[in-house]
Amino acid sequence: AQSVTQPDIHITVSEGASLELRCNYSYGATPYLFWYVQSPGQGLQLLLKYFSGDTLVQGIKGFEAEFKRSQSSFNLRKPSVHWSDAAEYFCAVVGTDSWGKLQFGAGTQVVVTP
Amino acid sequence: NAGVTQTPKFQVLKTGQSMTLQCAQDMNHEYMSWYRQDPGMGLRLIHYSVGAGITDQGEVPNGYNVSRSTTEDFPLRLLSAAPSQTSVYFCASSYGERYEQYFGPGTRLTVT
Repeated sequence: AQSVTQPDIHITVSEGASLELRCNYSYGATPYLFWYVQSPGQGLQLLLKYFSGDTLVQGIKGFEAEFKRSQSSFNLRKPSVHWSDAAEYFCAVVGTDSWGKLQFGAGTQVVVTP
Repeated sequence: NAGVTQTPKFQVLKTGQSMTLQCAQDMNHEYMSWYRQDPGMGLRLIHYSVGAGITDQGEVPNGYNVSRSTTEDFPLRLLSAAPSQTSVYFCASSYGERYEQYFGPGTRLTVT
């Protein structure tokens, strides 16, 4: 069955430290991959996406993600977090046989400490 | 552009009541969809539409109806509300099925 897994439910990071959020997927063919961020009480905002091409993708707010086909992973990174990065982050996937039907991971809650 | 708008922001219903969650977009997007968000489960697709007059079921369609009479609007109807439908509902739209989706601010629904 197709699935999207975010292994970390909750991550605490110090302001200025680096951040890496993990995402693994199980799909027959390479799907389209997305990272969204949700601030408290808000909707979802797209951080970045991967469709094809360069496996290192740059997004908004200083985030980047790397697609690794051999590991079926699409991990999100930021070199230095700011207090405003505290939010919930969702990895989402669309299979090429199920266009438009985003499948989301369970999310990772990021807490930023001073 | 207002983007994707949803009304109401909050709603409390009693079991058995019906209501419609409104969703509108002003980006001339063909594709629209409804998701529900529950703790620890991410977002799950309820229904989607690839254009006016065309709708289809997603992962969790039971208890919900949709219609798409115009490109701009995609209302979600709860036929007979149940406590299991307590959730946050998000509407999203995109240029097409193969493009990124833009989300509205959500509607928090509580069914007692």
